[in-house]
Amino acid sequence: GDSVTQMEGPVTLSEEAFLTINCTYTATGYPSLFWYVQYPGEGLQLLLKATKADDKGSNKGFEATYRKETTSFHLEKGSVQVSDSAVYFCALGALGRRFGAGTRLTVKP
Amino acid sequence: DTGVSQNPRHKITKRGQNVTFRCDPISEHNRLYWYRQTLGQGPEFLTYFQNEAQLEKSRLLSDRFSAERPKGSFSTLEIQRTEQGDSAMYLCASSPAGGGRSGEAFFGQGTRLTVV
Repeated sequence: GDSVTQMEGPVTLSEEAFLTINCTYTATGYPSLFWYVQYPGEGLQLLLKATKADDKGSNKGFEATYRKETTSFHLEKGSVQVSDSAVYFCALGALGRRFGAGTRLTVKP
Repeated sequence: DTGVSQNPRHKITKRGQNVTFRCDPISEHNRLYWYRQTLGQGPEFLTYFQNEAQLEKSRLLSDRFSAERPKGSFSTLEIQRTEQGDSAMYLCASSPAGGGRSGEAFFGQGTRLTVV
């Protein structure tokens, strides 16, 4: 069945560092891919999405490109801020989507 | 609209008791989803409604679990004869008709269940 494998955390970075969180997937067909973020004390929020191969999703300085050939959807940000500290989830599929286990990011000043 | 609302936020119950959670979706959203999230894991899909019809159920949803959405608005998730393994965060999300494909599902803050 469909599955998502996400880079294990936790990840600790200094402010302004470059961020990559790896995500690979296994699926039949070409599902939509998503990154969700969960800030402390808040519910899950959609961060960005890509619905077909080679699409790039972007939001709040974060980017991820749907790579069909490597079945990947890695999340990147060029310069992280303390306010980016959160748990990040990669997910695939529409209605009953599959989530990765989450990666906790802590950004230190 | 204040978003997806879940009640209660926390529930502690003794093993063997029944519990019921409520989810109030965003008012114009006709799709509603329930997920379960255990510590250190991502959400796992449980079930999905379109209006009042329950269209999909995960194998995770055992016979002790039942979900309803009687008028296509709020939804309830009931767990009968709770077990310690049911301890988790139960998440509700809603989306408009086209939201499933586009991914624009809005999540509530969840109900944390602890079975002692």
